[in-house]
Amino acid sequence: SQQGEEDPQALSIQEGENATMNCSYKTSINNLQWYRQNSGRGLVHLILIRSNEREKHSGRLRVTLDTSKKSSSLLITASRAADTASYFCALAGNTGKLIFGQGTTLQVKP
Amino acid sequence: NAGVTQTPKFQVLKTGQSMTLQCAQDMNHNSMYWYRQDPGMGLRLIYYSASEGTTDKGEVPNGYNVSRLNKREFSLRLESAAPSQTSVYFCASSDQDIRGYTFGSGTRLTVV
Repeated sequence: SQQGEEDPQALSIQEGENATMNCSYKTSINNLQWYRQNSGRGLVHLILIRSNEREKHSGRLRVTLDTSKKSSSLLITASRAADTASYFCALAGNTGKLIFGQGTTLQVKP
Repeated sequence: NAGVTQTPKFQVLKTGQSMTLQCAQDMNHNSMYWYRQDPGMGLRLIYYSASEGTTDKGEVPNGYNVSRLNKREFSLRLESAAPSQTSVYFCASSDQDIRGYTFGSGTRLTVV
């Protein structure tokens, strides 16, 4: 399967703590993307990292990519209750199609 | 901006009935996609359209057909609904990689 494998499946932290989610994959990729999904809603694009990039930042988000290990991580710093959601990694090959992982459910307790 | 609009938001069908899920985007994107989301399965690609006039199968196309009516609209049709097609269906569109996909809010379909 080309699907990304996400770890952990569920994560519960206190407000103010950092949250780290990991995504591993087996195929070569063009880029890797992270999405957030609030309960009952559609997915929202967070950040894209290309295969020749190692790290990207967007606000409180930091994404790393290690193509030699075929893995990526999403770090959310100083988490807030509003960050409670499911987070998905998605792999893009040369065709442009995105293949999604099963997601990590993050709960941030106030 | 409306982004990606899906209709209907909810639908209950009886086994064997047919229906069409509608999707429209107003961002002038070339590519459009249909995914289904089931608990614990993430999102799985049903069909996609890389540009107006073209459609291709994704991971789970069986039981579905699609039409790229024009650049804005991409519909998904269930010819004979089955309980296994109970799911949440998402339409998405994209143009430039850097912006990722824009998703609609989904259609919750129950087949009884």
